[in-house]
Amino acid sequence: GENVEQHPSTLSVQEGDSAVIKCTYSDSASNYFPWYKQELGKRPQLIIDIRSNVGEKKDQRIAVTLNKTAKHFSLHITETQPEDSAVYFCAASRVFGPGTRLSVLP
Amino acid sequence: GEEVAQTPKHLVRGEGQKAKLYCAPIKGHSYVFWYQQVLKNEFKFLISFQNENVFDETGMPKERFSAKCLPNSPCSLEIQATKLEDSAVYFCASSLGQGVLGYTFGSGTRLTVV
Repeated sequence: GENVEQHPSTLSVQEGDSAVIKCTYSDSASNYFPWYKQELGKRPQLIIDIRSNVGEKKDQRIAVTLNKTAKHFSLHITETQPEDSAVYFCAASRVFGPGTRLSVLP
Repeated sequence: GEEVAQTPKHLVRGEGQKAKLYCAPIKGHSYVFWYQQVLKNEFKFLISFQNENVFDETGMPKERFSAKCLPNSPCSLEIQATKLEDSAVYFCASSLGQGVLGYTFGSGTRLTVV
């Protein structure tokens, strides 16, 4: 079945710096790659997604890139703020990665 | 409604008791998904429905877990004879599509088995 790996598992950055989270997937048939943000004790929320016919997508400070040949995709957050601190999950269709705990230090 | 409504928010069961969780998807969303999130944060896919039909049940433990989505009723996830390791937050999500659109998650049901 589909397997999604995600790195790093934890990430600390200074406020204003960039953060990058990387994921790889195993099923070449996957064609939809969402990213979710989950704050402590809350539900996951979709923050950005990308489909397999697109290589890059940007929404303000958040961008996602996809390399379908290599089966990996990445989340980039620029100008990080303390409120970006959360656990971020990538997914390939319905299979979630294990999550990255991002801490933005003021 | 515009929210995925999950009930109850918290559920405590003694080992061996039954637990039943409910989920009302967003009106118009034809796909419903159940996930289990344990303390290490990982989301384990359990089952998905397209309307009242099981779409994908590859994640469901066959022996004690069952789920339904019946017309005009909230979807349900039932665990028979709960075990300590069933303690987790169970999230329901709904979507307009399977694998092509993002999910809207409910606020989850925290199940504690004691």
